[in-house]
Amino acid sequence: DSGVTQTPKHLITATGQRVTLRCSPRSGDLSVYWYQQSLDQGLQFLIQYYNGEERAKGNILERFSAQQFPDLHSELNLSSLELGDSALYFCASSVSANTEAFFGQGTRLTVV
Amino acid sequence: GQQLNQSPQSMFIQEGEDVSMNCTSSSIFNTWLWYKQDPGEGPVLLIALYKAGELTSNGRLTAQFGITRKDSFLNISASIPSDVGIYFCAGQGGGSGNTGKLIFGQGTTLQVKP
Repeated sequence: DSGVTQTPKHLITATGQRVTLRCSPRSGDLSVYWYQQSLDQGLQFLIQYYNGEERAKGNILERFSAQQFPDLHSELNLSSLELGDSALYFCASSVSANTEAFFGQGTRLTVV
Repeated sequence: GQQLNQSPQSMFIQEGEDVSMNCTSSSIFNTWLWYKQDPGEGPVLLIALYKAGELTSNGRLTAQFGITRKDSFLNISASIPSDVGIYFCAGQGGGSGNTGKLIFGQGTTLQVKP
């Protein structure tokens, strides 16, 4: 158990819908990251927050947004969902802004 | 998206054999990490390397941070059935910016025959 908690574990939704994925980082970690894992693209960095502020952005679609709350948990919002958004979404956390990250168990999103 | 070149893509070995996999990049990194992912689970950190030339062990695992800062390898000695899974290298910092962003390799799928 990495100490990073993600909910829900599985999510099935229809195209055009909006979903929210939630992440609680390890105790004491200030930085949260979101990654997408698909069969054809592998593990891709989406976005990083550090102590409530956006720190780095990857190839995150405009339909996707995230935030980190004062209690340091984070949410990833995915809207206007398309079939191609089906993937595993991982949250990771680290103590500071550029130290090794520990991953949660992921949320498997299926868009039908 | 950006990825590291990881090889081999897959390996099928006999229990007890040693395994070696490596990763290369066109840009330098400040940190190299190796993760293992089991089906339906998140990546688990195996080894983190922080200095060029560093050689680090974790049980039967040994990893090295290349001198050029553009490559790393992972060795597993005396493989056992529970070593089965997908191994990922990841680079952090350096050319990818001073953030915690990880750039991943494509993964090496390891299968071990008892």
